[in-house]
Amino acid sequence: QVRLQESGPGLVGPSGTLSLTCAVSGGSISSNNYWSWVRQPPGKGLEWIGEMFHSGITNYNSSLKSRSTILVDKSNNQFSLQLRSVTAADTALYYCARDSLELGGKGAFDVWGQGTMVTVSS
Amino acid sequence: QSALTQPASVSGSPGQSITISCTGTSSDIGAYNFVSWFQHHPGKAPKLIIYGVTNRPSGVSSRFSGSKSGNTASLTISGLQAEDEADYFCCSYAGSSIKVFGGGTKLTVL
Repeated sequence: QVRLQESGPGLVGPSGTLSLTCAVSGGSISSNNYWSWVRQPPGKGLEWIGEMFHSGITNYNSSLKSRSTILVDKSNNQFSLQLRSVTAADTALYYCARDSLELGGKGAFDVWGQGTMVTVSS
Repeated sequence: QSALTQPASVSGSPGQSITISCTGTSSDIGAYNFVSWFQHHPGKAPKLIIYGVTNRPSGVSSRFSGSKSGNTASLTISGLQAEDEADYFCCSYAGSSIKVFGGGTKLTVL
């Protein structure tokens, strides 16, 4: 059974860089799936940030593309998110999720991490 | 990409059926048959309950069903149970590898 676990600092200063890692266990990050980051600001809905495929292909939400980078680390079976120039609006619960190509992909997020809360504040 | 529109809340009594709508545009829900629904109990990981508009993953109760008409997708839960009380989110493919979520609907079982 594939499991995902997010990790990273819970507090980031304004204008700083948010860096999170998603460790994949019970399966390979090189499997035929896309791996995404999704966030949920307090009291609001989910927002898709972007995704990567193990080949290095990445796709991003256009509203966050200029500040976001998603990278794969095959040696450690994990992937990461960097979000630059953060503001209070980036305060959110951040999830990593698997978009299953077996289920057709395109939003079929069948495995999720528990989420990690990141607060942007000085 | 704009968020999909969901009602903020719905409620129903045990045993009843409820439907949650998810309204998008001709560029997302109306254009593709890639709508997913997620059940989210606060503090837990979201759970995929519908994908590809109408398909249920293995292990998901048949009480959950999905449909689509035009730019609006719907999730129906029949035989409502107390454990169904949760937040529900829809998600649609919007082309060019982009995914867009709804704002979420809080389901209260009376």
